[in-house]
Amino acid sequence: EVQLQQSGPELQRPGASVKLSCKASGYTFTEYYMYWVKQRPKQGLELIGRIDPEDCSTDYVEKFKNKATLTADTSSNTAYMQLSSLTSEDTATYFCARLDYYDGTYYFDYWGQGVMVTVSS
Amino acid sequence: DIQMTQSPASLSASLGETVTIECRASEDIYNGLAWYQQKPGKSPQLLIYNANSLHTGVPSRFSGSGSGTQYSLKINSLQSEDVASYFCQQYYDYPWTFGGGTKLELK
Repeated sequence: EVQLQQSGPELQRPGASVKLSCKASGYTFTEYYMYWVKQRPKQGLELIGRIDPEDCSTDYVEKFKNKATLTADTSSNTAYMQLSSLTSEDTATYFCARLDYYDGTYYFDYWGQGVMVTVSS
Repeated sequence: DIQMTQSPASLSASLGETVTIECRASEDIYNGLAWYQQKPGKSPQLLIYNANSLHTGVPSRFSGSGSGTQYSLKINSLQSEDVASYFCQQYYDYPWTFGGGTKLELK
């Protein structure tokens, strides 16, 4: 059974950094891209970027290029996202999501349970 | 970026009713559209991809249709477990973008 298990909720001060984890199981970690998605109430869902665990190549949506850093550890089948210089705008729930694709069709077939990040002084 | 506009933002319906949610793209997305269901406190779950293909295990009361810039998700014979928020997402052009969501409640 495919599972993406994310780390626990975070409370951080403005200006701090936080590193979130997403541990994959039930499939071959290196065979699927892992994406990260941000969700804020009344703001909908936003794509942050992805990592290819096979070679750790990354791709970021423009607005998150200076905010998020994606890494992966194939020895533990875990993907990470570090968020830097936190502000109140980073208060959100963050999901990791596995991408499946074929012939120009892309979809997120498995999602982590989400992790709430709260930025407050 | 392609903008995805969903309507309505919220919807109240009775058990057994048929519900339709609309999603409009700011440009042609050539059926590169997925629908997700998100129950309160849970992560999104894939329902539909390629605008009208039902994902494995999704009940057949869910269906998707549309083309060009206009798409819709239909739920036939609404069940209590369908209470959730629904999001469309285009994957025709990167960055992939999501609609603002439709919150479905029981009347």
